[in-house]
Amino acid sequence: NAGVTQTPKFQVLKTGQSMTLQCAQDMNHNSMYWYRQDPGMGLRLIYYSASEGTTDKGEVPNGYNVSRLNKREFSLRLESAAPSQTSVYFCASTLDGSNSPLHFGNGTRLTVT
Amino acid sequence: AQRVTQPEKLLSVFKGAPVELKCNYSYSGSPELFWYVQYSRQRLQLLLRHISRESIKGFTADLNKGETSFHLKKPFAQEEDSAMYYCALRTGDDKIIFGKGTRLHILP
Repeated sequence: NAGVTQTPKFQVLKTGQSMTLQCAQDMNHNSMYWYRQDPGMGLRLIYYSASEGTTDKGEVPNGYNVSRLNKREFSLRLESAAPSQTSVYFCASTLDGSNSPLHFGNGTRLTVT
Repeated sequence: AQRVTQPEKLLSVFKGAPVELKCNYSYSGSPELFWYVQYSRQRLQLLLRHISRESIKGFTADLNKGETSFHLKKPFAQEEDSAMYYCALRTGDDKIIFGKGTRLHILP
């Protein structure tokens, strides 16, 4: 089992460029999440999808869009990248129900110059 | 507002000494609380969850609704416990938010 797979692992963008971070899980999980991790700020929730066909804003959604393409895939798009979006991005998924743990991907390190 | 607070950015403890990582939460509903750990160059992974009342790697955490706390404890620290620890709160609409994390450094 691959678990949660994120691509790419690294990316450098120029200000104003766009890109999509891909995330796929093979555990038949219902809920999927996107977080960013910054030094001293911990993990901050960007968007999440509690089930296929639904998406909701998290704590820091501005500048991002998401698509829950199907049950397996949840992508994060930066339409016009800004240096403030330089971060490590993590995708995670969970089965559902009470106390199901999150399973994390390996992260995408994004630098915006 | 929903919030998870971890007041210590860094905690340094001598090997063999007790460890307590603090976590306080703010949530009006019935909370589900977790501790996650990130070892160097590894993925974030679940350490324990409050509903299970389990002990993992010697760590325990008790939910105190009166004090809105979920502190992580271990009686005797080991060098392999050095890592980044995150407290997390799951709300009724499946939102899962994290605290800022505490880096635990075990001194030899």
